[in-house]
Amino acid sequence: SQTIHQWPATLVQPVGSPLSLECTVEGTSNPNLYWYRQAAGRGLQLLFYSVGIGQISSEVPQNLSASRPQDRQFILSSKKLLLSDSGFYLCAWSFTLDRDSNQPQHFGDGTRLSIL
Amino acid sequence: SQKIEQNSEALNIQEGKTATLTCNYTNYSPAYLQWYRQDPGRGPVFLLLIRENEKEKRKERLKVTFDTTLKQSLFHITASQPADSATYLCAFRKRRYSTLTFGKGTMLLVSP
Repeated sequence: SQTIHQWPATLVQPVGSPLSLECTVEGTSNPNLYWYRQAAGRGLQLLFYSVGIGQISSEVPQNLSASRPQDRQFILSSKKLLLSDSGFYLCAWSFTLDRDSNQPQHFGDGTRLSIL
Repeated sequence: SQKIEQNSEALNIQEGKTATLTCNYTNYSPAYLQWYRQDPGRGPVFLLLIRENEKEKRKERLKVTFDTTLKQSLFHITASQPADSATYLCAFRKRRYSTLTFGKGTMLLVSP
């Protein structure tokens, strides 16, 4: 069966510091990968998604970037964090959409990021 | 613009009753809708999917309906239990092969 791991679970960072959040998937190959942010009282905002190694699509302009150095690894980064980057960050995977565009997404347990 | 809307107010019900949550969408006709459950501090968990040509889908105590005329999906939990307390999210895909758009979710509180 497939599993998704996200770490760390919580992170407190000062403004202006760099960020690296990691997500890995096990038990499948060539998954679609996603990064979301969920702010309090707001819905899930898609930040980035990837359909393959080195292929990253950005949904919103922002202070963040994403990379996919390996098939089942997805990394969310920032060179300099802003206060507005605080939030709950979720990684998710799904089977490739060319198999069935109705594929559900499977989420990790998220990282609670607080910027001070 | 395309919108997906869920009741922002929490739904409070008593144990044993049926909970009904609503998901409305505008300016789009999705081919299908997905429903997820999210517990505090955790990621959403996929529950059910219903296609536009399906009126109703069931899984154990869960039932989802899809009315393309009303542009609405209803999510029912029968014989609700305190363990059903969580936030429930609906989502749709705007186009084939595109990404999911999620509603903000409705919190369900089931009292013993």
